[in-house]
Order: sequence, then C-alpha cells, then structure tokens
Amino acid sequence: QKEVEQNSGPLSVPEGAIASLNCTYSDRGSQSFFWYRQYSGKSPELIMSIYSNGDKEDGRFTAQLNKASQYVSLLIRDSQPSDSATYLCAALGVSGYALNFGKGTSLLVTP
Amino acid sequence: GAGVSQSPSNKVTEKGKDVELRCDPISGHTALYWYRQSLGQGLEFLIYFQGNSAPDKSGLPSDRFSAERTGGSVSTLTIQRTQQEDSAVYLCASSPPGADTQYFGPGTRLTVL
Repeated sequence: QKEVEQNSGPLSVPEGAIASLNCTYSDRGSQSFFWYRQYSGKSPELIMSIYSNGDKEDGRFTAQLNKASQYVSLLIRDSQPSDSATYLCAALGVSGYALNFGKGTSLLVTP
Repeated sequence: GAGVSQSPSNKVTEKGKDVELRCDPISGHTALYWYRQSLGQGLEFLIYFQGNSAPDKSGLPSDRFSAERTGGSVSTLTIQRTQQEDSAVYLCASSPPGADTQYFGPGTRLTVL
C-alpha cells in the first residue's frame, strides 16, 4: 500500500504568522508531488507542484521536497483567515497518473 | 476558461438503484480521472482515461462500478445496485497533454439511503 501521511490537525496559527504543513510518503518511486487546498464542501484546488529536491516558491507559498527523507512540506507566509482550509498532500505513483493523497491537514488562521 | 464540470452536483438514491455521474473535462485536456472521497477518508483513485487508449480501471472497488468516455471528452461513471457504502463525493479531474497536474471538478455528492 503506497501511503501519504499527514497530521490531521487542526493546526492553528495567528494571522500574519507562518503556517508549516508536513507530509511523508512511502513510495520511493514517486517523482511528482502536489499540494491542494480544499475548503469545506468544495473540491481540491491545486496550489503547487514540486518535482526536485529543494524549495519552490510561489507568492506566499513555498513547497519543500526532500526525496532522501521522503518528506514534503508547504509553508504559508503571512497567513490570512482566508487560508483556513484543509491542505492535501499528493504523490504521483509509479503509474504516472494515479495520485496518492494524504487525508489532509486542517489549518485554522485566527484573526 | 471553463473548468471541469460535473453533474449532478448532488444525487440521493435508494439502495439497489443504479446511478450515472457525468464529467466534462477542461477543453483540450486529454487525460481524465475519477476519484472518490468518503467522509473522513482521503481521495481514492478509481479510473484513468488517456486519449483513445484503454482505461486503467484498477481502482474501481467492485464490478458494480464502470466508466466510459465518449469521443475522448465527456465521461460517465455508472454505479449499479448502489450500496450505502457507495455514499461519497465523486470527483473528476483532467490534465492537459504532456502534463501531470490534475485539475478537479466540483464533484458529485452521492447519498445512498
């Protein structure tokens, strides 16, 4: 069973702080990783993809990948209440098309 | 441009009935996927279509589930003889040619009474 693990949370951070979301994966063959945001009752929305070790920045979001440790993270700088949602980590399996999702981390940004 | 569309948005059915869920991918996207999200569970891969190739049905949970894609565009997921454990949100996604990023539709919430 190829698994993606996330802490379910909730992770609570004050407005303006940095939120750090973490994810580990078991399939060493995975090469592509994605972070999705899912608001309650809505479908997942793609935030970022990352393929290489290191950091990838896009606006307030930074994704980090460490393939040796099988670890992916998402940092959200200057967190806003509108960032409150569930964040899903996904790894592309060796099939090259089926995403393996974690169960998500619930983030709450308090004003 | 228009995103992935799915219909119906909600479906309530009685146990034992058949249901059909529809997905219309983003225009120009060749890959189409179905996933299921049950309460408290992660998204579960069901089936994958790529162009005119044979689909990968390895994620379908039982032979009551089937899917087709007509003309390389619209897809229909059919669940026969629905059971209560089929209650979930069924999500469709699509990808553009040569890319592995998947864009999700709004989903169909299926409730089996």
